[in-house]
Amino acid sequence: QKEVEQDPGPLSVPEGAIVSLNCTYSNSAFQYFMWYRQYSRKGPELLMYTYSSGNKEDGRFTAQVDKSSKYISLFIRDSQPSDSATYLCAMIIGETSGSRLTFGEGTQLTVNP
Amino acid sequence: GAVVSQHPSWVICKSGTSVKIECRSLDFQATTMFWYRQFPKQSLMLMATSNEGSKATYEQGVEKDKFLINHASLTLSTLTVTSAHPEDSSFYICSSGATKNIQYFGAGTRLSVL
Repeated sequence: QKEVEQDPGPLSVPEGAIVSLNCTYSNSAFQYFMWYRQYSRKGPELLMYTYSSGNKEDGRFTAQVDKSSKYISLFIRDSQPSDSATYLCAMIIGETSGSRLTFGEGTQLTVNP
Repeated sequence: GAVVSQHPSWVICKSGTSVKIECRSLDFQATTMFWYRQFPKQSLMLMATSNEGSKATYEQGVEKDKFLINHASLTLSTLTVTSAHPEDSSFYICSSGATKNIQYFGAGTRLSVL
């Protein structure tokens, strides 16, 4: 069983739709949770960083963490064609800069105009 | 967020030659950098952890002699693919932590070995 499970999609939505991206994890030691966006042939770009259960909002993006269920989500409101990318959830145990990330497989999202 | 610069963005080389990829942290000091490899439509696979002033830590199955990592300063880590072969063609990405465990990624290097 993988430590982090993420539906790879692909997910296709019309412009303006609300998108929900999800990851589940099995290791309760994960304490910090991130969402990255990756455009084709580019490096991942950090979107959201959270460390406690609950919601964190940044513009059209909301990250949700439920540690009791070992479940995290990223919501995108009013989705735009420019949001078309692969979204990677990532988790980390330690607090130091040397701690390694564990990634989900990534969900490929297409927002159609 | 913090800036990690990776160069080159795309390199084509002949089989048997060596290729060096640079990863620089532009606005912070990075004691640790990470090197990943990514195949099409797959997630990132950690190859090695690069520590400033010491030997890199390689993941299981990654050949140390094939993928040479040097982290000689707090702002620069390099990955050299030695005696490259077509099966080494891939997308290589570096990352580094600026504050605590928040990692920022370079733009990636596409390596094509002919």
